[in-house]
Amino acid sequence: GAVVSQHPSWVICKSGTSVKIECRSLDFQATTMFWYRQFPKQSLMLMATSNEGSKATYEQGVEKDKFLINHASLTLSTLTVTSAHPEDSSFYICSASPWTHLTDTQYFGPGTRLTVL
Amino acid sequence: AQSVTQLGSHVSVSEGALVLLRCNYSSSVPPYLFWYVQYPNQGLQLLLKYTTGATLVKGINGFEAEFKKSETSFHLTKPSAHMSDAAEYFCAVSGTQGGSEKLVFGKGTKLTVNP
Repeated sequence: GAVVSQHPSWVICKSGTSVKIECRSLDFQATTMFWYRQFPKQSLMLMATSNEGSKATYEQGVEKDKFLINHASLTLSTLTVTSAHPEDSSFYICSASPWTHLTDTQYFGPGTRLTVL
Repeated sequence: AQSVTQLGSHVSVSEGALVLLRCNYSSSVPPYLFWYVQYPNQGLQLLLKYTTGATLVKGINGFEAEFKKSETSFHLTKPSAHMSDAAEYFCAVSGTQGGSEKLVFGKGTKLTVNP
């Protein structure tokens, strides 16, 4: 149980285009979803936290107009990288929690590797 | 502010040998501590977590970790490594920070198990 999927698993796009990444909880309802970014050989960095039906809370330094997060249902959250540039190339990982407390168990997706040319 | 340091980006052990992955944390509040494992092309899976209570925490797949406040450590161990343990392991800490809580991850340790 507690499976989280991401789509696509990898994407290549041209600079200036927008890319949407989906995160789905397959067998549970996710009250809260999280988006992380992971650079090669570095830690996962939390980008934002989203609760179903409300606006996402972004971490300091994360541009909310560039990384649009929508959590429209209890099983789906999307991250849209708008006007992508090469420096946005990274591994993006989502996680979902059936509870509202961050220290409760988060279930992670397999990640999406974004390459911007 | 919280931070996590994982000593050793790569650890290599022989099958059947002891596994020891080191994690030290920094936290201004009582921490919650986690170990996650990531297999190739898969998401992170929770191995174990410490919140309160018993300082020796047992997790899945025979792993355990001990919270040592005096040493600010939460090292992960397994008595006998198995080939299937080869993966990347992440230590994480959380607590209250500026009114919000978040997981702060270490950089990860890649475990290789040699036959």
